[in-house]
Amino acid sequence: AQSVSQHNHHVILSEAASLELGCNYSYGGTVNLFWYVQYPGQHLQLLLKYFSGDPLVKGIKGFEAEFIKSKFSFNLRKPSVQWSDTAEYFCAVNPYNAGNMLTFGGGTRLMVKP
Amino acid sequence: DTGVSQNPRHKITKRGQNVTFRCDPISEHNRLYWYRQTLGQGPEFLTYFQNEAQLEKSRLLSDRFSAERPKGSFSTLEIQRTEQGDSAMYLCASSQDRGLAKNIQYFGAGTRLSVL
Repeated sequence: AQSVSQHNHHVILSEAASLELGCNYSYGGTVNLFWYVQYPGQHLQLLLKYFSGDPLVKGIKGFEAEFIKSKFSFNLRKPSVQWSDTAEYFCAVNPYNAGNMLTFGGGTRLMVKP
Repeated sequence: DTGVSQNPRHKITKRGQNVTFRCDPISEHNRLYWYRQTLGQGPEFLTYFQNEAQLEKSRLLSDRFSAERPKGSFSTLEIQRTEQGDSAMYLCASSQDRGLAKNIQYFGAGTRLSVL
């Protein structure tokens, strides 16, 4: 069965610092990739997705992610974080043509200090 | 509000009791999913419906769990003879199988179950 690893469980940054959250998955075939964000007290929201094409995808609020197939990675980046980015971030994978379930990583809790 | 709606938001029950949760998906979405999330973990897939047909079930979905989507609209998740290990957040998501938003799952706020 596929698995998703998010190696950073907790990240603390100051405002304006750059962010990179790691995500690796263990599936050899074609995958759809997602990053979801959960702000305190709110539901999971889609941040960005990759289905095909340009491996560098841009999402909402200045976030982007790069799919590197050879490394089975889909890392999330933001050049300059804001206090309002404090949230929990989840990477998720859906193997193409292997059902519709999402397999999530364990999440990374980001705290941005003002 | 046209998002995914889940009721109740919180449920406290005693061990051994039965509980039922409801999910109303986004109206034009024909796919509906249930996930379970425990503290400090990412959501784990439980089951998936395409219209009224239950097409996938995780091995996490024991015999005490049953999900239905009788008319292809709302869905219910029932847990019989609850155990303390069932305490978790139960999330519902929906998606459509065509169009620009194909295969993007939209999540509800969840039902938090506490089994005493």
